[in-house]
Amino acid sequence: TQLLEQSPQFLSIQEGENLTVYCNSSSVFSSLQWYRQEPGEGPVLLVTVVTGGEVKKLKRLTFQFGDARKDSSLHITAAQPGDTGLYLCAEVYSGGSNYKLTFGKGTLLTVNP
Amino acid sequence: EAQVTQNPRYLITVTGKKLTVTCSQNMNHEYMSWYRQDPGLGLRQIYYSMNVEVTDKGDVPEGYKVSRKEKRNFPLILESPSPNQTSLYFCASSSIGGNEQYFGPGTRLTVT
Repeated sequence: TQLLEQSPQFLSIQEGENLTVYCNSSSVFSSLQWYRQEPGEGPVLLVTVVTGGEVKKLKRLTFQFGDARKDSSLHITAAQPGDTGLYLCAEVYSGGSNYKLTFGKGTLLTVNP
Repeated sequence: EAQVTQNPRYLITVTGKKLTVTCSQNMNHEYMSWYRQDPGLGLRQIYYSMNVEVTDKGDVPEGYKVSRKEKRNFPLILESPSPNQTSLYFCASSSIGGNEQYFGPGTRLTVT
């Protein structure tokens, strides 16, 4: 099980600003998922990235997987108050009869109107 | 509607009084898991189950038990709760090797 480092831990911005949050590891990810957790709810999957260098877009969210598969970033363009939440990255390990997610501690994003 | 349900959503109890948090999923998923979420520590896995009658320890199993007698249910049992088990608990399910884990709404447990 590798340690996932997410940064920043907290981020407070104004509506309309752009932002990037990061997920890093000292080891290679098999695959990586990003989740968003809103207050009072469980995490919800945003995206899975598998291939080094992969870029995926989900409306105003852009996810990038590093070439070496040891880091990932989430960029939000023109943030809105509805983007407020805890953003979690998770390493997915799937092999044989084993399947496990290991989560980072998250980035708590607040978008102020 | 595909979902994971947990009960109760909120629970305040006293040290040593056995309790069970239920978890049920209606997606026929093989894999189910329990996590606890604490400030500054993130989501940590307590126990998981790959299928009926197959369970295994996660990263923080001490003080917890689970069972998987049916595919849809995965209860979390605290035989003798202690204050350090005060936390927000999430149940999740997915297909094996599946793309997404579906999380329940959470159970906020306070042990005094």
